[in-house]
Amino acid sequence: NAGVTQTPKFQVLKTGQSMTLQCAQDMNHEYMSWYRQDPGMGLRLIHYSVGAGITDQGEVPNGYNVSRSTTEDFPLRLLSAAPSQTSVYFCASSYSAIGGGYGYTFGSGTRLTVV
Amino acid sequence: AQKVTQAQTEISVVEKEDVTLDCVYETRDTTYYLFWYKQPPSGELVFLIRRNSFDEQNEISGRYSWNFQKSTSSFNFTITASQVVDSAVYFCALSEPSESAGKSTFGDGTTLTVKP
Repeated sequence: NAGVTQTPKFQVLKTGQSMTLQCAQDMNHEYMSWYRQDPGMGLRLIHYSVGAGITDQGEVPNGYNVSRSTTEDFPLRLLSAAPSQTSVYFCASSYSAIGGGYGYTFGSGTRLTVV
Repeated sequence: AQKVTQAQTEISVVEKEDVTLDCVYETRDTTYYLFWYKQPPSGELVFLIRRNSFDEQNEISGRYSWNFQKSTSSFNFTITASQVVDSAVYFCALSEPSESAGKSTFGDGTTLTVKP
């Protein structure tokens, strides 16, 4: 089925470890983004991309890196995990970055715990 | 800067009641888009509706309806004859094309519980 695939679904890290959350979409969407969801705080934008080779910071980028070498893939890297990064992470894609008028297709989420 | 406020943190209703979820937004743009998403207990996020700023017609889809009023900067969501399966967290979101190149700002969500 077409959509956004996130892996892993669950992950436990020790403080200081690094890891990459994977996100892939097969809908040829231009726009991709990463959000984190914390209780009572809605969804906060970490990084986003308007096309291959183009990325930019969102609201809460510190401690995270992204790259977009292909249209399909948009991995999120945690450089040195901290307990404050315990959260649920969602990858989202949208048909076009121009206009901003398209709804998102979300991945199923990654529940990350940093101990 | 864009902002979305969902003042109702939690709502609890009994099945078959009607319920309205409020969404108030702030924007300086004349062109913008509003969205509603649903997050059921299973955790996935599902797109429900998009509305652009030039279309103030209300929309109805089955038991769901949306009331967009630019005069009050609101985009409210009503569920008629609620069902247990409507229990979820509902998010309202706003996108400003001129500033955000596709980025959406989300409200904090309203948790709806429908009791049998």
